[in-house]
Amino acid sequence: EDQVTQSPEALRLQEGESSSLNCSYTVSGLRGLFWYRQDPGKGPEFLFTLYSAGEEKEKERLKATLTKKESFLHITAPKPEDSATYLCAVQLLRDSWGKLQFGAGTQVVVTP
Amino acid sequence: GAGVSQSPRYKVAKRGQDVALRCDPISGHVSLFWYQQALGQGPEFLTYFQNEAQLDKSGLPSDRFFAERPEGSVSTLKIQRTQQEDSAVYLCASSPGPGSGTDTQYFGPGTRLTVL
Repeated sequence: EDQVTQSPEALRLQEGESSSLNCSYTVSGLRGLFWYRQDPGKGPEFLFTLYSAGEEKEKERLKATLTKKESFLHITAPKPEDSATYLCAVQLLRDSWGKLQFGAGTQVVVTP
Repeated sequence: GAGVSQSPRYKVAKRGQDVALRCDPISGHVSLFWYQQALGQGPEFLTYFQNEAQLDKSGLPSDRFFAERPEGSVSTLKIQRTQQEDSAVYLCASSPGPGSGTDTQYFGPGTRLTVL
């Protein structure tokens, strides 16, 4: 059975305290792995797509990496505005329409 | 340009009532997805449209759930005889579609459905 597991469930950081979020997956045939950010009361906002092991993408204080079993989202020197729930999702080769299977998310709180 | 919009943003229904949730995708997007998000969980896939064709409805939880996209743009998710377990946020997403070179799905703000 395909599984996407995110850890930790929640993370509390001081402003400037770098950390990493984990997304581990057990799937048959990965097409792509997606990271989204979700603020309370809003829909998920696209951050990155990774397609192959070893790939890395960066945006401001965020950097996403991918291996054959997991993806990491590194937050460098976070600011309070980085507080959100971060969702990872996999897209499988067999789901040619492109549906996403999400993990439960990591809730990040950054305090000043 | 406008993003994905959904209406209503909030809906309260009594158990047994029918509800209709609307999604306006980004103009020109071929693909449209509906997801259900329970509190504290990630979104779960419900159904997929390519233009007006519903190509995958494997995630619809029961035959009380019905979705349509008759003209290949606006979509409606209908839930008949609502139950308390239907309470959730219903998210709509659109993407340019197959052959566009991008798989990115853009989400709307969601409709929060509460069934009393």
